[in-house]
Order: sequence, then C-alpha cells, then structure tokens
Amino acid sequence: QKEVEQNSGPLSVPEGAIASLNCTYSDRGSQSFFWYRQYSGKSPELIMFIYSNGDKEDGRFTAQLNKASQYVSLLIRDSQPSDSATYLCAVNPPGSGGYQKVTFGIGTKLQVIP
Amino acid sequence: EADIYQTPRYLVIGTGKKITLECSQTMGHDKMYWYQQDPGMELHLIHYSYGVNSTEKGDLSSESTVSRIRTEHFPLTLESARPSHTSQYLCASSEAAVDTQYFGPGTRLTVL
Repeated sequence: QKEVEQNSGPLSVPEGAIASLNCTYSDRGSQSFFWYRQYSGKSPELIMFIYSNGDKEDGRFTAQLNKASQYVSLLIRDSQPSDSATYLCAVNPPGSGGYQKVTFGIGTKLQVIP
Repeated sequence: EADIYQTPRYLVIGTGKKITLECSQTMGHDKMYWYQQDPGMELHLIHYSYGVNSTEKGDLSSESTVSRIRTEHFPLTLESARPSHTSQYLCASSEAAVDTQYFGPGTRLTVL
C-alpha cells in the first residue's frame, strides 16, 4: 500500500462547477497535510496546508481533513480553465525534531472544460 | 515569494560527462531536497538534507551524489551521465519545523 494515494485522473469538470480532489494516507499518526498545484512543465507550488480535523478555506479553495478516516480532500469552487493542472497531495508522517520527510502522492490531473 | 534558484535551467550533454546541477536558496531554510520527475509522472525524492553536513538518500535509487557545505547551497552531481538520467530535476527547501516546501524552477537534463 502506498503511503499517499490519489487517483491520477484526469478529472474533468465544467467551468463554474466544484472540483473535488481526494487523497488517502496510510500512516494514522500523520500530522500535517499539504496540497500543491503543478502546471504542465512547471514546478509544484503550495496551495494550502492543514493540520486539524475539519475544513480550512482560502478563497475558492477548501481543504478538508478527516484523520479518523485518513483522508484529505481539496475542493475548488467556481472552477476556472486556469485551474487545469495536476494537484499533488503531500503528507508529513509522525516524527520529532523536524527529522520527518514529506511524502507526495502521484497527483490528480484536473481539466476544467470551458 | 520563494527565493530558490536552479542552474542551469536546461542542459544537453553527452554520455559519460560529469555534471553538477546547482541549487541555492536565500531563505535560510535548514531542509533541502532533490526530486526527479519525468513528464506527466510523479515526483521521486532522490536526496535530502536536514542541514549543513547532513545528506540522506531518498526513496528512488539514484547514481547521483549531493553535498551540503553551506546552508544555502545543495548541489547535485552525476559523475558519469547516461541517457537514463534524462529527466527534470527539481530542488526544494523548507524550514525545519514547518514542512511547506518551496520549489525551484527545475533543470531539464537531456543526456545523448
């Protein structure tokens, strides 16, 4: 079982719809969770991070964390063609002293259809 | 805005050459990383460092080596390049306590 699992997609949504991207992780003790966006041919860039159960909102983006079920999701409201990219989920496993390293999922490719 | 730089951005080189990919950051981050990524494929961690004089191998076996003599600098070296090394190499850094990673623009390497 992979440490961080994502459906590679592509996930196609019409412009203006809500895009829902999901990620599951295997280590129950994981502490922090990140969503990165990567445009084709570019480097990943951080969208959001979340540490606590529940929702965290930033503009059109909402990250949702459920530690009991070991999943984290990213909702994109009012999806725009410019949101078309690959979205990477990253998980920080349990550890101490800063000696843990983040594990990335394979990424979900999102296509927003005009 | 993240200040992390990689040079060269593009490199085409012949088999057997020694190459060094440069990565520098001006944020004072303790942690630095090297990833390898083929087009449309997932990120693979090949090396990381927790600070000066600390280097570790990542999840993907790599014939490259790294060094961390200064906090801001984390170069990656291939002693003898091969066509199988053709890929994009991404450098990233993060603070020790907060693992939000900032990525450089990448080096696209082609070995003929």
